[in-house]
Amino acid sequence: NAGVMQNPRHLVRRRGQEARLRCSPMKGHSHVYWYRQLPEEGLKFMVYLQKENIIDESGMPKERFSAEFPKEGPSILRIQQVVRGDSAAYFCASSQPRFATNEKLFFGSGTQLSVL
Amino acid sequence: SQKIEQNSEALNIQEGKTATLTCNYTNYSPAYLQWYRQDPGRGPVFLLLIRENEKEKRKERLKVTFDTTLKQSLFHITASQPADSATYLCAHGGGGGNKLTFGTGTQLKVEL
Repeated sequence: NAGVMQNPRHLVRRRGQEARLRCSPMKGHSHVYWYRQLPEEGLKFMVYLQKENIIDESGMPKERFSAEFPKEGPSILRIQQVVRGDSAAYFCASSQPRFATNEKLFFGSGTQLSVL
Repeated sequence: SQKIEQNSEALNIQEGKTATLTCNYTNYSPAYLQWYRQDPGRGPVFLLLIRENEKEKRKERLKVTFDTTLKQSLFHITASQPADSATYLCAHGGGGGNKLTFGTGTQLKVEL
C-alpha cells in the first residue's frame, strides 16, 4: 500500500522559472493538503483541496502560487516566476474522506525546492 | 487566532530516561491535539491524537496528556532510545476539514 508520493524529491530552478510539484495521495484518500517548511520554522499550511475543488487556500500567497487536484492524476502545486524566497521544503499530505475533523494526516517525503 | 507554541530549544537526554516535551496553546481549547514525529529530510509521521475530553492517551512507550486549565499538552517518551531522536511536532485543528496548524517542533536527542 503505497504512501503519499511526491516528486520530484529535489527541484532546482533559476529565478523567474516555473516550479511544478506533484503529489499522489494514498489510495482511497480524496483530501490533499500542501504545507511549506522553511529552515528553523514550522510547517505552514498553504492549501486544502478535494478532487476538482479548492476548499481552503487561506495560506497561499496571493500571487504566483496555484494548486489543483484534478479528477484524474496527481495534485499539482505550481509556482510561477520563482524567487529565492520560495526555496523551502514543500510537503503534501492526504487524509481519508470522512466528515470527522480529527483525522490524522499522512505526509509525503516532500520536495526540496532550491531557487538559484 | 490560535497559536501553538513548542520549546524551540533542543532537548538532550540520556538513554533510558523519560523525555517530556511541551506544547502550549493560546486562546480557546482546541477540540483535539495531534503529535507527529519528523526525521531530517522526511515528512512528519502521525503518533498520537488526544481529544479535549481526554486527560491522557498512551501508545507503547508514548504518553500524551491534555490539560485545558493550563492550556498545555505534554508528550512523554519513556525508556528513551537513540532511535527516538527526532523533531516532535504538536498540531491542532483550527479550520474546516482536517487543516492542521503546527508548532515549530522540539528537537529531541537521546544520547548513549
